[in-house]
Amino acid sequence: DAKTTQPNSMESNEEEPVHLPCNHSTISGTDYIHWYRQLPSQGPEYVIHGLTSNVNNRMASLAIAEDRKSSTLILHRATLRDAAVYYCILRALTGTASKLTFGTGTRLQVTL
Amino acid sequence: DSGVTQTPKHLITATGQRVTLRCSPRSGDLSVYWYQQSLDQGLQFLIQYYNGEERAKGNILERFSAQQFPDLHSELNLSSLELGDSALYFCASSVTNGAADTQYFGPGTRLTVL
Repeated sequence: DAKTTQPNSMESNEEEPVHLPCNHSTISGTDYIHWYRQLPSQGPEYVIHGLTSNVNNRMASLAIAEDRKSSTLILHRATLRDAAVYYCILRALTGTASKLTFGTGTRLQVTL
Repeated sequence: DSGVTQTPKHLITATGQRVTLRCSPRSGDLSVYWYQQSLDQGLQFLIQYYNGEERAKGNILERFSAQQFPDLHSELNLSSLELGDSALYFCASSVTNGAADTQYFGPGTRLTVL
């Protein structure tokens, strides 16, 4: 699986935007970029995914670089409930299976 | 609530024992994935089933096995347990098998081996 690199931790103030970066310089043309997050004491939760174009949903936006070697997850107004570990994952269809390969993620702290 | 259920929530057992973890996927989901989360290894993929058939294996030990039943629920069997098997075990499900599919995770089973 192609590898992703994320900062270990980031901090944000509540109600401010947060930009979580992810580098994936070895991404292949068919890899989807997925973001999941894991809140304390919970299972991972899907946030957003994309292939080439920027994506928006009710939780976040995903900005994908033109060369696809990096992407940024944008939380428009961070709240205390957004404090979690955010995982950037490249997902390829390998054979007939499609697993998630989690890295170490970025631990986001949100303060008042 | 993701719609994925896992039982039991907590399990405490002794070394050498065998346990079974159960997962019910979201209604309509055909794929079930098992993941292990430990402090030293992070979240690791173990195994995937799709519509009753094994589709992929990750870092799953030979002492571990899984199956998916006709009603699509899945069980993860862990035998000859060791202290190092203590971890959170998550089940996830998705509609199909695609790289764009969202995986929905259950709340996990916390296994403690004493």
